[in-house]
Amino acid sequence: NAGVTQTPKFQVLKTGQSMTLQCAQDMNHNSMYWYRQDPGMGLRLIYYSASEGTTDKGEVPNGYNVSRLNKREFSLRLESAAPSQTSVYFCASSEVPGGDGYTFGSGTRLTVV
Amino acid sequence: QKEVEQNSGPLSVPEGAIASLNCTYSDRGSQSFFWYRQYSGKSPELIMFIYSNGDKEDGRFTAQLNKASQYVSLLIRDSQPSDSATYLCAVLGNQFYFGTGTSLTVIP
Repeated sequence: NAGVTQTPKFQVLKTGQSMTLQCAQDMNHNSMYWYRQDPGMGLRLIYYSASEGTTDKGEVPNGYNVSRLNKREFSLRLESAAPSQTSVYFCASSEVPGGDGYTFGSGTRLTVV
Repeated sequence: QKEVEQNSGPLSVPEGAIASLNCTYSDRGSQSFFWYRQYSGKSPELIMFIYSNGDKEDGRFTAQLNKASQYVSLLIRDSQPSDSATYLCAVLGNQFYFGTGTSLTVIP
């Protein structure tokens, strides 16, 4: 089993460009999450999907949109990238919201110049 | 006040010693508590979770929970250089909150 797969692993964008980060899990988990991790700030929740067909804002949703495409896939879109969105992005999943902890993907290191 | 507080460290211990990592949380209604390990440039990896007051042991790792004091800790016995990483505490109350992590270095 691959667990949680994120693509791409690295990306450099120019300010104003758009992109979509892809995430897929093969553990039949109901809940999926997008976090960003910045030095000294820890992991901050951007959006989450408690179950297929639902999405909700987390702590830092501005500048992002998400789509829960099906039970396996949860994508994160940056419509107009800004330097403040330079970060490492992690997708995670769990069987139920919170659950017995999260399984994380390997991360996407995004730089906006 | 942050929901989950951890000493950022760095914490340095000699190989073979016990490393003690601490975490406090603000939501008294929190039910589940987790410890993640994150190597530099990698994603967080769940190492333990604990729900009840007291100790939970898994190999060299022991999680300790004191809900009255709103305190959870992780002890690593016989520390190895491969334990050098950042350890994240996470707490599930009405939401799931992560601490900012404690950096641990085990010195050979």
